[in-house]
Amino acid sequence: RKEVEQDPGPFNVPEGATVAFNCTYSNSASQSFFWYRQDCRKEPKLLMSVYSSGNEDGRFTAQLNRASQYISLLIRDSKLSDSATYLCVVLLSNDYKLSFGAGTTVTVRA
Amino acid sequence: NAGVTQTPKFRVLKTGQSMTLLCAQDMNHEYMYWYRQDPGMGLRLIHYSVGEGTTAKGEVPDGYNVSRLKKQNFLLGLESAAPSQTSVYFCASRSYGYGYTFGSGTRLTVV
Repeated sequence: RKEVEQDPGPFNVPEGATVAFNCTYSNSASQSFFWYRQDCRKEPKLLMSVYSSGNEDGRFTAQLNRASQYISLLIRDSKLSDSATYLCVVLLSNDYKLSFGAGTTVTVRA
Repeated sequence: NAGVTQTPKFRVLKTGQSMTLLCAQDMNHEYMYWYRQDPGMGLRLIHYSVGEGTTAKGEVPDGYNVSRLKKQNFLLGLESAAPSQTSVYFCASRSYGYGYTFGSGTRLTVV
């Protein structure tokens, strides 16, 4: 079983729509969680950290469910510029390296 | 503030040639990493370093060597390049408890 699993998508949504997707992790000792965004042929960039109580950053909302071991990302009022691959990233409390999901592709169409 | 800088950005090698990729960070991060990313695949960890003078193997270390002689630099070497090493290479750095900051990548083609 992979440490971090994501639905690869693609999620094709019209502008203005809401899109949400999850990521599951296998190690219950995981402590830190992040969502990264990667545009085609570019480096991944930190979108947001995910906190236990859930958090928002503008149109983006991240949630953590420790009991079921998943995190989610919701994008409201989608923009064309939101088209990208979203990577789920998990860190164990005593590990030096982060585990990446393979990514969820989102395409927002006009 | 440059963040993480990778050089070169592009390179074409012939099979059997050697090269070194340089990663430099100016954020005083303790940890540094080298990943490769291939089409349709996620990021795979090659080697990493948790401090100056220390290195460790990741998931796919074969065919690569690394060195971290200075805290701000992490070098990735290919001793004898193979077509299977054609990939995009990303360097990243971080501090404990925080996420990665990535460099912009090196696109390597081995012919």
